[in-house]
Amino acid sequence: KQEVTQIPAALSVPEGENLVLNCSFTDSAIYNLQWFRQDPGKGLTSLLLIQSSQREQTSGRLNASLDKSSGRSTLYIAASQPGDSATYLCAVNGYSTLTFGKGTMLLVSP
Amino acid sequence: EAGVAQSPRYKIIEKRQSVAFWCNPISGHATLYWYQQILGQGPKLLIQFQNNGVVDDSQLPKDRFSAERLKGVDSTLKIQPAKLEDSAVYLCASSPTEGVSEQFFGPGTRLTVL
Repeated sequence: KQEVTQIPAALSVPEGENLVLNCSFTDSAIYNLQWFRQDPGKGLTSLLLIQSSQREQTSGRLNASLDKSSGRSTLYIAASQPGDSATYLCAVNGYSTLTFGKGTMLLVSP
Repeated sequence: EAGVAQSPRYKIIEKRQSVAFWCNPISGHATLYWYQQILGQGPKLLIQFQNNGVVDDSQLPKDRFSAERLKGVDSTLKIQPAKLEDSAVYLCASSPTEGVSEQFFGPGTRLTVL
């Protein structure tokens, strides 16, 4: 059974800092991995999707990496802004079934 | 392109009452998912439809939960009777095809059972 762990559970940083969120998974037989953002009381917004054959994906200030063999992914956020404050969820796809971590709650203070 | 639509956004009911949630996926998306997200947890898949057929309902508590997607487009999820532990956000997602394609999520329905 796939298990996904996200560290840290919560993170508070001042505006402008670069930061890294971590995601680990137990079964490396995955098809892809998605990073989502969830604002309080809202649904999930897809940030980045990395196929299992890829090493990284970039979108603006976000960069996600994937090391399938070691069961790890990281989400790098450059020059953080208060608007980045949200919960970030990692989900691995074992063919149509997404298994989620519990998320990292990020607070960026002005 | 319109996103995944869900209604209602919020619902408060007493335990043992029934409730229904509605989802309209992105136009043309064949696969529809219902997830349950309990506070502080990641979403957990309840049921997956491919067109109007069920692909996976292994984690759906079938004694009280039911779901249908009769015409292969929109879907309803029902709980009857509700329990206190059903308090959660119910998320609907859709993807163009089954398998490895990206899933797109709706805003969710927050259910509170008193």
